[in-house]
Amino acid sequence: GGIITQTPKFLIGQEGQKLTLKCQQNFNHDTMYWYRQDSGKGLRLIYYSITENDLQKGDLSEGYDASREKKSSFSLTVTSAQKNEMAVFLCASSRGSNTEVFFGKGTRLTVV
Amino acid sequence: GQGVEQPAKLMSVEGTFARVNCTYSTSGFNGLSWYQQREGQAPVFLSYVVLDGLKDSGHFSTFLSRSNGYSYLLLTELQIKDSASYLCAVRVLASSGSWQLIFGSGTQLTVMP
Repeated sequence: GGIITQTPKFLIGQEGQKLTLKCQQNFNHDTMYWYRQDSGKGLRLIYYSITENDLQKGDLSEGYDASREKKSSFSLTVTSAQKNEMAVFLCASSRGSNTEVFFGKGTRLTVV
Repeated sequence: GQGVEQPAKLMSVEGTFARVNCTYSTSGFNGLSWYQQREGQAPVFLSYVVLDGLKDSGHFSTFLSRSNGYSYLLLTELQIKDSASYLCAVRVLASSGSWQLIFGSGTQLTVMP
């Protein structure tokens, strides 16, 4: 088995602030993802990466940057936090084909 | 556009069954997955189907009809601990050439005593 660790669990930022969320996985998976989960809405894909140093934009990439520093880690940066940014950000990983995706427990972002 | 729809809420009674519906309209289809998400927890993979028909996995079964863009997750012999949100996700090929999942908004199942 493996685990996906997201840090921090809770993040409070100020409007306009640059914020970074981190994710580590020990599954040795190739593909990693960042999703945003808003109350009452489905998970929406922000960025994904199919290998180290690769980055692919999802439907919600505007306002975010990402970095796949090594195979096991994938970080997400909110470039300028907005009050409507408040949501849970979920990191996930899968072996290339994506039929089973494993998720972390999420980082809950609050913008004040 | 691409869409995956699920009812927001569903209630059922302990010891009976619940059917969580999912309809989708996507350009391309390469399978549908179901995930369970408890409050404050990570979504957990339950099932993946790509062929039409019923896939029986014991407590959870999944049905798929590709021609109707429809799937359901069937939970039998419900327990209180089955209360959770159930997410449907359709696997499609992105313009980048890699697979992506398009998620529905989830159905919150409440199992009552």
